[in-house]
Amino acid sequence: DSGVTQTPKHLITATGQRVTLRCSPRSGDLSVYWYQQSLDQGLQFLIQYYNGEERAKGNILERFSAQQFPDLHSELNLSSLELGDSALYFCASSVGMETREQYFGPGTRLLVL
Amino acid sequence: AQKVTQAQTEISVVEKEDVTLDCVYETRDTTYYLFWYKQPPSGELVFLIRRNSFDEQNEISGRYSWNFQKSTSSFNFTITASQVVDSAVYFCALIPFSGNTGKLIFGQGTTLQVKP
Repeated sequence: DSGVTQTPKHLITATGQRVTLRCSPRSGDLSVYWYQQSLDQGLQFLIQYYNGEERAKGNILERFSAQQFPDLHSELNLSSLELGDSALYFCASSVGMETREQYFGPGTRLLVL
Repeated sequence: AQKVTQAQTEISVVEKEDVTLDCVYETRDTTYYLFWYKQPPSGELVFLIRRNSFDEQNEISGRYSWNFQKSTSSFNFTITASQVVDSAVYFCALIPFSGNTGKLIFGQGTTLQVKP
């Protein structure tokens, strides 16, 4: 158990819908990261927050947004969902901003029908 | 380009065999960090090791060992006396220091199957 929690574990929804994925980092970790894992793209970095502030953006679609709250939990919002958004979404956390090891949550498996 | 290549897509071995997973990276940075993660069939990503570019010492942890060679831009992972529980997808990843972020750049992964 990494100490990072993610909810829900599974999500099935329809195209055009909006969903919110939730992540709680390990105790003491200030950085939260979101990654998407799909068969065709592999593991792709989406976005990083550090202590409530956006730190870096990766290949995140405009339909996707995220935030980190004062209690350091984070949410990833996915809207206008398309079939291609079906993937495993991971949250990770680390102590610092950059180069420390990241500990991953169990992931949320999203299926868009 | 900042890139990680794991040329072995799938490897199958019989239990107790030694197996080496290859990882080759590309980066312009002189300071960078390399990682290995394991993804068992249950799906979670498990951190195995972090290595910075200034530390070329090989590392051993139980049956696991890592060989870092800057001259060949490689960071290979060896499992000695493999066990069925080692069956998983293994990812090598890179964080270049100049990016000033914690963005992990992952390779495509190597699926290891250990047969009894």
